[in-house]
Amino acid sequence: GAVVSQHPSRVICKSGTSVKIECRSLDFQATTMFWYRQFPKQSLMLMATSNEGSKATYEQGVEKDKFLINHASLTLSTLTVTSAHPEDSSFYICSAKAASGYEQYFGPGTRLTVT
Amino acid sequence: GENVEQHPSTLSVQEGDSAVIKCTYSDSASNYFPWYKQELGKGPQLIIDIRSNVGEKKDQRIAVTLNKTAKHFSLHITETQPEDSAVYFCAASNGQAGTALIFGKGTTLSVSS
Repeated sequence: GAVVSQHPSRVICKSGTSVKIECRSLDFQATTMFWYRQFPKQSLMLMATSNEGSKATYEQGVEKDKFLINHASLTLSTLTVTSAHPEDSSFYICSAKAASGYEQYFGPGTRLTVT
Repeated sequence: GENVEQHPSTLSVQEGDSAVIKCTYSDSASNYFPWYKQELGKGPQLIIDIRSNVGEKKDQRIAVTLNKTAKHFSLHITETQPEDSAVYFCAASNGQAGTALIFGKGTTLSVSS
C-alpha cells in the first residue's frame, strides 16, 4: 500500500510555456501533500505544503505566482510551473500524508527540462 | 526551527560489511524520525522509521536507534549488498498534521562486491 504516482515522469518544454505536474495518492486519502525540488546530488528542498481544500503554504523564497499548487481532492494535487525558464529545470517530487499516521510517501518524481 | 545534520556524506563499504549513518536534530519537539532510500532518478522510498517512544526498531537487515536525550538517531545496515548502494536521507518532524519533514543532506552509500 501507500503508493503515490506522479505524471509525467519527464517533460521538456520551451521557455515561456507552462507545465502541469500531477501527484496522486493511489490507495489512501492524502489530507496533506508536499512539493519538493531537488538539484543533482543535493537534498530535497521543500517548496510548499498543500492541505486539501486550502491554499498552499509556500516556503520562503518560492514564488507562489510562478509555482501554482492546487489540492482539490484527497487524492490529487497539481503543481503548475508558469512561464518556465531554464533555471526552473529540476527534479520535482511530491509526497503525501494521510490524516492519521506520521508516514509520508513520495512519488517517483518528474524531471523538468526547460529549453 | 528544526535542523537535521547527517554524517557521513559518503560511505564506501565492502559487500557483507555493516554500514552506519548518523543524524542529529535540534528541536526537542520532534518525535518522528524516518529514513529514506533514494536511487538515481527515482523518488525517496521510506525504508524504516521510529517514533520517540521507542529506542530501537529493526526490520530484517535494517535497524534504527534513537537517543532522545542526545537528540541523535542512526541507521544500521548489516550484511550489505550491492543493491543497498543509494543515497540515504534521514528526516525529523513533530508529527503534527500539515508539518513537513526536515531532511538531512543525505549519505551516498556505495557497496562494492
